[in-house]
Amino acid sequence: GQQLNQSPQSMFIQEGEDVSMNCTSSSIFNTWLWYKQDPGEGPVLLIALYKAGELTSNGRLTAQFGITRKDSFLNISASIPSDVGIYFCASIIQGAQKLVFGQGTRLTINP
Amino acid sequence: GAGVSQSPSNKVTEKGKDVELRCDPISGHTALYWYRQSLGQGLEFLIYFQGNSAPDKSGLPSDRFSAERTGGSVSTLTIQRTQQEDSAVYLCASSLDTGYNSPLHFGNGTRLTVT
Repeated sequence: GQQLNQSPQSMFIQEGEDVSMNCTSSSIFNTWLWYKQDPGEGPVLLIALYKAGELTSNGRLTAQFGITRKDSFLNISASIPSDVGIYFCASIIQGAQKLVFGQGTRLTINP
Repeated sequence: GAGVSQSPSNKVTEKGKDVELRCDPISGHTALYWYRQSLGQGLEFLIYFQGNSAPDKSGLPSDRFSAERTGGSVSTLTIQRTQQEDSAVYLCASSLDTGYNSPLHFGNGTRLTVT
């Protein structure tokens, strides 16, 4: 089916380190989205990618839409405590107006 | 308010009881979505509305689950005869329309605990 496989499931890093997470699928998607969820809140959109090969930055965040259209990665540079949370990749199922989400990457930062 | 509002924020209910969860979308947003998030899991699609119509109900887990939307605005998700496996965070989101470049704005969810 059209599932998104996200890795790693969790990360424990030191403040200041760079972070990389990715999402893969056996299906082709035309959109890749990255969301962040803070505890007790709903996910918030960080970056949206609409073209294969697209590389987009938002402050310390950089995301890329893979050339094969089956994967995407998110990098966070110079992590800070407020980066803690769960990061989700998501994409839109073709022919259906709904997002499918990855299982999330839980980021923990040691000060 | 400016964002998606959900109520209640927390709900504890006994197995077998019915519950109603409410979502107030952002004013002017025509599309409304319900998702479920179990502990440590990703988001599971339940249903979406375009206006008052629900073109896709494919994610509703069973016939105990239903949802409606009135006036193109407020939506309620009803779970009848709740079971312990229904315990989860129920998230609502709205967007201007259902186009792929119309981002979803999520509420903070209702945490449902069935005892």
